[in-house]
Amino acid sequence: DQQVKQNSPSLSVQEGRISILNCDYTNSMFDYFLWYKKYPAEGPTFLISISSIKDKNEDGRFTVFLNKSAKHLSLHIVPSQPGDSAVYFCAASVGEYGNKLVFGAGTILRVKS
Amino acid sequence: ETGVTQSPTHLIKTRGQQVTLRCSSQSGHNTVSWYQQALGQGPQFIFQYYREEENGRGNFPPRFSGLQFPNYSSELNVNALELDDSALYLCASSTGLAGGLETQYFGPGTRLLVL
Repeated sequence: DQQVKQNSPSLSVQEGRISILNCDYTNSMFDYFLWYKKYPAEGPTFLISISSIKDKNEDGRFTVFLNKSAKHLSLHIVPSQPGDSAVYFCAASVGEYGNKLVFGAGTILRVKS
Repeated sequence: ETGVTQSPTHLIKTRGQQVTLRCSSQSGHNTVSWYQQALGQGPQFIFQYYREEENGRGNFPPRFSGLQFPNYSSELNVNALELDDSALYLCASSTGLAGGLETQYFGPGTRLLVL
């Protein structure tokens, strides 16, 4: 049972444009959501997070939007840069249960220059 | 401040053998979690340790076991290795202060190949 789904295996965007990565979840008890970026041969790097009491969190070029009623979140990267090319993972947790992260399968982002 | 480190970086074992993977937490972190990432998939939670006690376990058999030491470094042990255990094993640490609503920071991983 996949509780966190990233339905787009890959996304290709032109440098300078917006990248939008999407994530859906099924467990309504999730109350903390994170995005990680992963380069080959490295571990995931934390990007940005949002708790369920918010619907938006912004950090520089990265913004995460949370729609609890739709059980959907998205990561916006504006403007996209070639260095953003990586695999992006959406993750969620139930804080009460000690911070076990449930990950999606990832979306490969390619930013073309 | 040092980040999360893992050793070894790569490992090749044969079926039935046992393996120990090691992780040093980020400075100031007392919680460590282990994840298995198979090819083409997202990381899957194996277990978490908080102040040397197991604090949650994912859907992995008992032959996956762990330890956390007083300095908060950690080991993942896998007995009776199977071909499907071939994966990237990731360790992540966190402060354990935010009641679960906190960020985990990952190490580079250990790539295990079982032949």
